[in-house]
Parts: sequence; structure tokens; C-alpha cells
Amino acid sequence: SQELEQSPQSLIVQEGKNLTINCTSSKTLYGLYWYKQKYGEGLIFLMMLQKGGEEKSHEKITAKLDEKKQQSSLHITASQPSHAGIYLCGADFSGGYNKLIFGAGTRLAVHP
Amino acid sequence: DAGVIQSPRHEVTEMGQEVTLRCKPISGHNSLFWYRQTMMRGLELLIYFNNNVPIDDSGMPEDRFSAKMPNASFSTLKIQPSEPRDSAVYFCATQAARGEQFFGPGTRLTVL
Repeated sequence: SQELEQSPQSLIVQEGKNLTINCTSSKTLYGLYWYKQKYGEGLIFLMMLQKGGEEKSHEKITAKLDEKKQQSSLHITASQPSHAGIYLCGADFSGGYNKLIFGAGTRLAVHP
Repeated sequence: DAGVIQSPRHEVTEMGQEVTLRCKPISGHNSLFWYRQTMMRGLELLIYFNNNVPIDDSGMPEDRFSAKMPNASFSTLKIQPSEPRDSAVYFCATQAARGEQFFGPGTRLTVL
């Protein structure tokens, strides 16, 4: 979607390295959702952010939403092969029914 | 809970045939979403229901596509007649009270 840009499109890192994926919106977000997808499988929910400046962490993954609620970042610390997959951000512009618009995804490979 | 259940997991059909995809939502989730994922267009929302009522079908490509939710535990997405460009992975997702959407494993549709 042109309303939502993800970068980079793909990323190859060595195991143990940190990495950041960005999701930028052309307009204010009511909510921002991060999902992970492995090839041939469904999307796995990671985190949901709704408030400007909000930050959430789960294990080695941290997601932030900026104060203006137009950009989010997903940071992985000390990456592992299990982190490999496609990371998608989904934006709620509707403010009500959680109708999500998804970015194109970032394909992450972690080499041992 | 078994999560969102979709059937079939794989479908191969010939152009012109009718295709019906099925989804059983997580019990108690009152919103249901149908998405389509392709390499070219990414993940797109087709239609979503709230309390079994279609709320927004603006993503449905054309009249060949139709979706129903006759009760809270079942939904179908039908394509009639199918075309090769309909080949994609179709996901069903249902929404929990606090806004996160849970995705099913998807149905991989191939139209020859």
C-alpha cells in the first residue's frame, strides 16, 4: 500500500546482530500492528501500538510508535535464525473497526 | 482453542469453476476479515464482518467474489467463475476484543 511504506524490503544479517525495520505512514495512525509470517503459513501477531510514544517489548523484539503516530520501528536484539521470516506492519486508519492496511513486508534472513 | 480454521488448505481448480473457501473463527470473536495475499499486491483486505454483518466490502475485486457469514461460527468466500488471476493465498482473520487480529493458516488457491 502506498499509504504505508516498509523499509528495508529485505535484510540479511548474521546471527547475533541487531536490526531495525521501519514502517512509515502518510497519515496519522489509530493503531499499528506488527506481524511475522513464515513462508506458507499464516501471520503471527507480535505487538500492537496505539499511543504516541508507546513502546512494547517481547523477548528480544521491541516496537515503538513515534509521538506523531506516523512511524513505527521494530527492533530485534541479538538476532537468531528463529527470527527469520517476513515482518509486516498493519495500520489502522479507520479508528473503529480495525480495518488494517498492510505494508509490503520486510523479508529477514539470519545466517548462523 | 484451535485458532482460526480454514479449509481447504490447498485448492487447485480450472478456470471457470466455482471455488468456495471456508473459515471457522475463534469462538467469541465478533469480527471476521477475509484477506488475499499475492506477490504483486501483498496482503489486501477483501471484506470484513462485524457481528455477522458485512461492514465493508470495498476490497472485493468484482462481482465474481462473494462472502457470507450465516452465523457467528462460519464464513465462506466464493469465487464464481474463477480465473487464473485469482490465484493467491486467502486468509481469514478474526478479531479479539482488544483489537489484535488472529489469522488462520490460509488457503492456497491455484486456478489453471
